[in-house]
Amino acid sequence: GENVEQHPSTLSVQEGDSAVIKCTYSDSASNYFPWYKQELGKRPQLIIDIRSNVGEKKDQRIAVTLNKTAKHFSLHITETQPEDSAVYFCAQGSWGKFQFGAGTQVVVTP
Amino acid sequence: SQTIHQWPATLVQPVGSPLSLECTVEGTSNPNLYWYRQAAGRGLQLLFYSVGIGQISSEVPQNLSASRPQDRQFILSSKKLLLSDSGFYLCASGTGGLNTGELFFGEGSRLTVL
Repeated sequence: GENVEQHPSTLSVQEGDSAVIKCTYSDSASNYFPWYKQELGKRPQLIIDIRSNVGEKKDQRIAVTLNKTAKHFSLHITETQPEDSAVYFCAQGSWGKFQFGAGTQVVVTP
Repeated sequence: SQTIHQWPATLVQPVGSPLSLECTVEGTSNPNLYWYRQAAGRGLQLLFYSVGIGQISSEVPQNLSASRPQDRQFILSSKKLLLSDSGFYLCASGTGGLNTGELFFGEGSRLTVL
């Protein structure tokens, strides 16, 4: 079946440094790649997404890159802040169905 | 944007008891609806999804069932809960087809089976 692999599972960074999370997928029909942030005990919320006709998208300190040939996409957070601490999920979507990565626990230390 | 109402927020149930979690959606019509389970604070496991009233697809075999009696109402049920049913249940709403886009999640229901 279609799978999404996400790495690393845990990421500890110092405040102000950058964080990078990588995902690979297998379903070549996927055309939508969202990233969700989930704070402890709360619901996942979309932070950024990218469609298959775009290679890169940026929103302030957050950026996502997509390489459809290699079937991988990455989340980049620059100038990390303590409020960036959370679990981040990548996902691939196609025709209303989604596959999620296992999540990355990001800890930003002051 | 869409608003997902989900209840109850928290419940503690004994093994063998029934379960009913309800989800309603505002701000859209004819959405795709989903039930996810999240165990141990990580990983989103798709349980059921629905593309319309009365149309339910099951993704994993289990003692849970889902129903969609109205366009914007999605219900997760069980006749007899197991210990392994404990977890954080999330209802979600989205669009399908070529316009597959953002999934909107409810606040979640934390179920503890004792």
